[in-house]
This record gives sequence, structure tokens and C-alpha cells, in this order.
Amino acid sequence: GENVEQHPSTLSVQEGDSAVIKCTYSDSASNYFPWYKQELGKGPQLIIDIRSNVGEKKDQRIAVTLNKTAKHFSLHITETQPEDSAVYFCAPANFGNEKLTFGTGTRLTIIP
Amino acid sequence: KAGVTQTPRYLIKTRGQQVTLSCSPISGHRSVSWYQQTPGQGLQFLFEYFSETQRNKGNFPGRFSGRQFSNSRSEMNVSTLELGDSALYLCASSLARTRPSSYNEQFFGPGTRLTVL
Repeated sequence: GENVEQHPSTLSVQEGDSAVIKCTYSDSASNYFPWYKQELGKGPQLIIDIRSNVGEKKDQRIAVTLNKTAKHFSLHITETQPEDSAVYFCAPANFGNEKLTFGTGTRLTIIP
Repeated sequence: KAGVTQTPRYLIKTRGQQVTLSCSPISGHRSVSWYQQTPGQGLQFLFEYFSETQRNKGNFPGRFSGRQFSNSRSEMNVSTLELGDSALYLCASSLARTRPSSYNEQFFGPGTRLTVL
């Protein structure tokens, strides 16, 4: 099965600074790379995703970069705000397969 | 559009009992997946249902089962509860497009917090 590792497990960042979380996966067949954000008391919410034919995707302050050769993709959050504090999960998958294999999660804390 | 709803939100059971959790997907979504979330094991895939058929299954014992109804609503059942079954059970729904070039965004509900005493 897919092995997914996420680093770091915890990350504290000063408000306004950038945060980067890295996800490494093992299944070379993976072609869909989403990032989820989970706030306290809620289920995970998709914040950005990328397909394997694209190297980078940006949506306002959030970006995802993919290195398929090295089998890793990263979440970049710029100009961090207190509402960015949450647990973030990567979950590589294949098109048409509903099964998501989640990483171990990164607890991001934004320090005001 | 209403999101994914799960009932009940909280549940307390004792060892040996069984429990049934319910999930109502977003209107029009045909696929429902279930995940177990624990501090030790993280988020783990249980199974996925599409058109009332189990289409994918994770590595959980047979005590964990599920079903999907014709309106896409889904239930999962855990029999002979063990202390280790205490977890947040999350349900996710998606459109489940069948074109190979498409991706299936999963929308998660708030979960059911199960505590086994």
C-alpha cells in the first residue's frame, strides 16, 4: 500500500511569515495530490490540489508544488494569519479512486 | 447546498455492544467513504460505497461493516465494540465521476465521536 510521510509534525510560525509542509509518498501510480485542513471539531476540508501533469498551482496565499520524480509535494502558505492555525493533511490518490491515504498531519500554529 | 451530515455527533457505548452511525451525503453525490481518525493511527480509510455497492475496502476487521441506500445515504456498523474502537468516524461524499482524467473532491462531514468504555 501507499506509504505517506509528512514533515514537520508541528510547526509554529509568526503571523505574516510563510509556512511550508512537505509530503512524501511511495506509490508511483499516484496522480492526484490534495491538501486538507482540519479545524477543531470539524472534518477535513480540501484547500488545494494538484494533478500529476502540473508542477505548481497557486490560489491566493496558498500554493502546492509537486516533484513527481522525487515523489513529494509541498504546501506553501504565505502571509500567514491566525485563522491558518489548524492541522494539515496531505492525501495522495489516483483518479477515479475514492480512497485517500492521509499523511500523519502537521499541526500549524500561527503566533500573533 | 447542504453539506455532509452525520448523526449522531457523539456516542458513548460499552465494550461488546454494537453501534450504527449514519451519513447523509451532499445532494447528487453518489459515493460515500468512511474514515476512522485516532491520535495514534491518524486518518484511516474504512470503505467506500457507490450505487449501493462496496467498491473499496481498507484493512479493518469484519466487525466493521457498512451499507448504502438507494438515496446514497450510508450507514456503518461496528459490532462487538472494543476499547480501541474509540475514535472520530468521518464520512466523505463525492460525485465520483468516472472519466479517468477527472478527480473526485471529497467533502467531509463533521464526524461522529465514538467513545467505548
